[in-house]
Order: sequence, then structure tokens, then C-alpha cells
Amino acid sequence: AQSVTQLDSQVPVFEEAPVELRCNYSSSVSVYLFWYVQYPNQGLQLLLKYLSGSTLVKGINGFEAEFNKSQTSFHLRKPSVHISDTAEYFCAVSRSGGSNYKLTFGKGTLLTVNP
Amino acid sequence: DGGITQSPKYLFRKEGQNVTLSCEQNLNHDAMYWYRQDPGQGLRLIYYSQIVNDFQKGDIAEGYSVSREKKESFPLTVTSAQKNPTAFYLCASSILGQVAEQYFGPGTRLTVT
Repeated sequence: AQSVTQLDSQVPVFEEAPVELRCNYSSSVSVYLFWYVQYPNQGLQLLLKYLSGSTLVKGINGFEAEFNKSQTSFHLRKPSVHISDTAEYFCAVSRSGGSNYKLTFGKGTLLTVNP
Repeated sequence: DGGITQSPKYLFRKEGQNVTLSCEQNLNHDAMYWYRQDPGQGLRLIYYSQIVNDFQKGDIAEGYSVSREKKESFPLTVTSAQKNPTAFYLCASSILGQVAEQYFGPGTRLTVT
């Protein structure tokens, strides 16, 4: 089974500052990794995903994440945030290969961007 | 436009009543999922279905039931046996057998008093 730990439940930052949202996972098999964003009272939207290949993954809205297998981490970064980035962010993992239909989510990190 | 529809957006019920949440998708996805979201808890899987007329329990299936009579529809019933039904419910779908990238609906917020 897989598990995900998002190390910060809340991250407040000022506009135009850089941000990193931390995610660690646990799995005995190879995994795929995802970051989703949720704006208030809405569903989840995929930001980016790591399947294989380059460990640096670029997503929408200027976000990127780096897969680090040795540290079992998949941290999300943005060099300069905007007020509109205020949302909850979820890291998720699935087993790669086979019947890889189930996602396991972290508990989320609330990013608040202040002016 | 393809997507997932959940209705209604907000739902209010009295304790002891069963309530059914709707989820429809026109993405031609085989797999569909129901999640429950509580503040600070992330998403927890209630039920999932890979094919019509078949579904499996997720991590927190007690007090819930589902049906999958059509590929595009996966309604969730919150029964009176669910002890804490007030939550935000999210439906998702995905292509079966490929990367588990799931597409989410807008959610239904259920309040039971």
C-alpha cells in the first residue's frame, strides 16, 4: 500500500515570494505522483504529474515539482506566487503498472498568498 | 464540452433520511470514484467502479451504497447508517488500465441536521 505525507497543513506567503509545498510518500513498489489544486468549494484540478523520465516536472500556472526517489519526495515549487494561487494543494500517489486505478491522497496544504 | 457533473451543489437533509448524490460523466471513462472530503482530512475513497454493474468498497464504505447501471452514471446514496454524513463529496472518473489520472466533478456539499 502507498501513503502520502504533506508536511505542512498551512503555508502563508506574501505575493511574489517563492513557495515550496512539501510531499513525502511511502511505497514498496514504483509509483506515479501527482499534485492537484482545489479552489474553495470546487473540485480538484490536476497541476502536474510524474510518470517516468525527467525528475523535474513542469505543470500549469507556473508550478513545477521534483521527484526525488532516494528521499521519497515530490515537492511542489513556484518561484513567484500570485494572490490567485491561494488554494488547497493535494499530493497523491498511485502504484505504477498493473491495475493502477487507485489514488492515495495526502491531507492537503492550504496555501494563502497575502498582498 | 466533456466533463463531470455533480448535482446539486448544496444539499440539506434531516438526520435519519437517505439521500442520493448524482454524478454523471461524458468523458467515456470506464472507471468512476466517490470521495469524501473533511477539513484537514484530505480525500478518502468511499467506493469505486471499473465497469458497469460492478463496484468495490473503498476505505470508508460503511453507511454508503452505490450503483453503476450505466457507464456514464455513478450515484452515491448516503444512508441513515452513516454516522457523520455532513461533508463535501467529490466524484471522479478515469480511463481504466492507464495512469491513474482522475478528473473531478465540482462536488456536492451535504449538510445533515
